[in-house]
Order: sequence, then C-alpha cells, then structure tokens
Amino acid sequence: SQQGEEDPQALSIQEGENATMNCSYKTSINNLQWYRQNSGRGLVHLILIRSNEREKHSGRLRVTLDTSKKSSSLLITASRAADTASYFCATQGGSEKLVFGKGTKLTVNP
Amino acid sequence: DSGVTQTPKHLITATGQRVTLRCSPRSGDLSVYWYQQSLDQGLQFLIQYYNGEERAKGNILERFSAQQFPDLHSELNLSSLELGDSALYFCASTETVTYNEQFFGPGTRLTVL
Repeated sequence: SQQGEEDPQALSIQEGENATMNCSYKTSINNLQWYRQNSGRGLVHLILIRSNEREKHSGRLRVTLDTSKKSSSLLITASRAADTASYFCATQGGSEKLVFGKGTKLTVNP
Repeated sequence: DSGVTQTPKHLITATGQRVTLRCSPRSGDLSVYWYQQSLDQGLQFLIQYYNGEERAKGNILERFSAQQFPDLHSELNLSSLELGDSALYFCASTETVTYNEQFFGPGTRLTVL
C-alpha cells in the first residue's frame, strides 16, 4: 500500500516559472525523499529531508517538511524544459524500504 | 548512471511462463531492494536482501521469489505469470542497511501477453 499522496497529479507550466508539488503521508517517518523519473526510466534521487529538519535546499530545489501535518513540498525554481518528468515522494519509517506516493507529472513547456 | 545494472531491459513473455530478472548492485553495496511499478498499484516495495539474507518483505506474491548471491548480485524470479504482472521492475542498492537514499537501476520492463 502507498504511504503518500502527491498533489497535484499533473502540473503544466512555462519555462522560467516555479513548480510546487505537495506530498502527504500517513505514519511517522525517519526521512522523506524526493525522486525524479523521466518517462519510463529509472528513478533518480533528488533530495532527502530528515524528520528533525524543516527545510532543505539543493540547487534549484527546495524541500519543506511539516511532521505535525505529515506533509512535504518540493519547489523547483526557474523551471526548464529538461525538468519535465514525474516526481515521487517516498518515506522511510520503521524499515529501510521506501514507501512511494503516486507521483506528480510535471510538464515544462518551452 | 547510478552504477546499478539490470538485465534484461525488456522482456516479453506469455501467461503461465517463468522469468528471471537480474540486478547487479553498485560496487560495495550489500543491500538490494526490489520494487514493482505498475499503472494501477504505482511503485511498491517487494523484497530486500542484505549480504545474502532476506531482510524485509513487502507485498510480494507467493509466485515471486528472490535471492542474493555471494557476489551480491540478486535475481527476482516470477513464475506462473499473469497479465497483471506486466510492470516495470526496479532494483535499488545501498551500502548497508540505512535510512538514506537508494540508488536505482534502469529497470526491466516485463510484458506478459
């Protein structure tokens, strides 16, 4: 069963705009991670935020975590056409397995 | 390139058949995870091995089995295949058992006709 729900399911923006994706989860976690998947290909790790952290940055990515609301958001600033992909949140809690959400499909139009 | 390799890339087979998917983890990684990605179920954890031993099991069907060999490569065996087993199968690896990022292979796309 899946832990998280991403919102929105699909997002279409213009190059240069910011993209925000949200993730909610159900149980207590050790960390929450974001992965990217280009069409039908392997998953690439983007960023990890631990349960005692509230915000993390990596390049054009900003992740926030609110454990009281069991939610996270991923912000991609100044989007590029190459950012077009599906983005998944995944949590690790009582074991090392990743529990994934359903993903947000991002399309960045040139 | 994550350093994790999976073969074959694509597999087309018929219902009732048996297939073996192979995964080679990153050099030095002891832990291997298998995940299934399907349209209806999304990405689901199947099973984890650590240094040759099964460490955790997810929603893996009884028709599926896996093992990790002394050279640390892993195989996922799927038998009595059904149409609903059509999916992308990923393996991922980590150095140890750890709450940290996992490194994913490119996946094997299984189509059951």
